[in-house]
Amino acid sequence: DAGVIQSPRHEVTEMGQEVTLRCKPISGHDYLFWYRQTMMRGLELLIYFNNNVPIDDSGMPEDRFSAKMPNASFSTLKIQPSEPRDSAVYFCASNQGARDGYTFGSGTRLTVV
Amino acid sequence: GESVGLHLPTLSVQEGDNSIINCAYSNSASDYFIWYKQESGKGPQFIIDIRSNMDKRQGQRVTVLLNKTVKHLSLQIAATQPGDSAVYFCAENNNQGGKLIFGQGTELSVKP
Repeated sequence: DAGVIQSPRHEVTEMGQEVTLRCKPISGHDYLFWYRQTMMRGLELLIYFNNNVPIDDSGMPEDRFSAKMPNASFSTLKIQPSEPRDSAVYFCASNQGARDGYTFGSGTRLTVV
Repeated sequence: GESVGLHLPTLSVQEGDNSIINCAYSNSASDYFIWYKQESGKGPQFIIDIRSNMDKRQGQRVTVLLNKTVKHLSLQIAATQPGDSAVYFCAENNNQGGKLIFGQGTELSVKP
């Protein structure tokens, strides 16, 4: 298995632009998670899905952030409009069942200038 | 001006020594715990997990200890190698579905 695949690996954008981050979970995994990592706040859970349905989005910072999972093999995290404080590494993770080890992707490093 | 980041706890050990990384978790209802290793520029990598019905679990060169009384988790690495240098995170599933909450991390530095 190729693991959790995220794209792009790096994204540099100007403030106000829309940013879309993509994730392909491991086949057969029914949970998908989006995390954000910064030096200030560490690893924060933004939102997670179970069987493509959003379960908990309480970590989404504000309305500028949205996430979708149109099918079992694809999810997006969108920021519109982006702001410099959104600069961080965004990780996607998936697992099979709520209590099994979670597998992380390599992350997308987002820089908003 | 620049924001000030978290100052991660740091553990420095000599190659070949044993390392012990500690973690205090927050929720007494948490029943599943994981240790992750994160190398620079990479995503967190699963090391070992433990469920709350156990107090010890061993893997290859790693042991996790769980003390539910004081809500404490530790990771022991035997014969630490330079390749073990990374940031180590503990994470807890606080019995709320699939939600996994991470600690702040400890940076392990191995001196050759």
